[in-house]
Formats: sequence, structure tokens, C-alpha cells
Amino acid sequence: QVQLVQSGAEVKKPGASVKVSCKASGYTFTSYGISWVRQAPGQGLEWMGWISTYNGNTKYTQKFQGRVTMTTDTSTSTAYMELRSLRSDDTAVYYCARDQKFSTNWYDYWGQGTLVTVSS
Amino acid sequence: DIQMTQSPSSLSASVGDRVTITCRASQTISTFLNWYQQKPGKAPKLLIYVASSLQSGVPSRFSGSGSGTDFTLTISSLQPEDFATYYCQENFSTPPRFGQGTKLEIK
Repeated sequence: QVQLVQSGAEVKKPGASVKVSCKASGYTFTSYGISWVRQAPGQGLEWMGWISTYNGNTKYTQKFQGRVTMTTDTSTSTAYMELRSLRSDDTAVYYCARDQKFSTNWYDYWGQGTLVTVSS
Repeated sequence: DIQMTQSPSSLSASVGDRVTITCRASQTISTFLNWYQQKPGKAPKLLIYVASSLQSGVPSRFSGSGSGTDFTLTISSLQPEDFATYYCQENFSTPPRFGQGTKLEIK
């Protein structure tokens, strides 16, 4: 069965970086893209960006441009999302989700979420 | 960027009720519209894609309709497990946008 398993919760200080991993199983990793979506406490869903696991192409929302990098390791079927220069308002649950191969569309499987807390 | 507005923001209903949630886009998005259900502490779950296609494994009491700017998610007969927050999401443009959510509570 399709599974996306994310790395554990993180606590970071303002200005630090965090790298969240998302290990996929149960399907051919390079046949689907991965999107990253975050959710601040008590808030709605916010799309951060998408990566093609096929060719490494990325699309990021402008809000995170320059602060976020999405990568994949096809040898381990793992996607990564690194967010730099963390601020308190980056405190959120970060989700990876299976997306389409060549563009972002809909998200049919999700990871369990990774809570990132930014606090001094 | 496209703005997605859901109504109502919250809704109280009883088991067995028929419920409709509306999502409106700030510009036409054809049928590039998806619906998700989220329960507290859990990841969202895809219910409907391309406005009206039922995701595999989702009960048939869920249905979606609409095109252009106005869309609806209907639950034909509420079950206890349906009480959750529902989000619409457009994928007409980048970045894709979510609605603010509709919280469905037990009356």
C-alpha cells in the first residue's frame, strides 16, 4: 500500500534551518511528484511547493522563494524539504503529499505530518 | 493569485442530514477543483478531484459538482465519521490555493 512516512518533530531557534524527510513506499517513486503543504496551529492549509521526482524540476510559491529547497533521493525514494532562516511564524505541521509527475494537481496520499516548532 | 472562499465557515448538522458546502473561486478555474477532509490531528484526505471525480475508496455519499467559479461538495446522508473540516483546493494556477475550510460539527 502507498505510504509516505515523514521524519519526527523538530524544535528550532529563529534563524536556524530545518530539513524534513518523506520516505515513500508502495508505488514507483519517479512516477509521481511530491508537494509540500503546511498548516500553522489552528489554521488552514498552505501549499509550499512541488518537486518532480522524475527530473527534479521544482515550483515554489513566491512566499518561500529563496528560503526553501525541495530535493529527492530516488535511490531511497525519499523527498526532502529544507526551510532556512526560520521565524516564529514558520511554526506549523509540514506535510508531504503525493502529487502528479509533471505538475501540481491533487494530493492523493499524505504523510503523517512533521511538527516544526520555532522558538527561542 | 486566485482566492478560494468557502461557505459556511462552520456548520452544525445531525447524522442522516444532507449537507452542502460551497466553494467559490475569484476567477474561473474550469473544473480544476479538489476537495479534502481533515480530522483533528490527522493529515487531509482526498475526497473529490477534478470537481466531481470520486477518489477511490471514498464512500458514494460524497459528491462534487460545479465548474467555472462555483462548486459544491455534498454529503447525502451524514455519518458519525463525517464530522471533520473540509477544504477545497484549486489547481488551475500556481500556487494552488486552498479555501479557508468548513468545520462540520455535530448538532
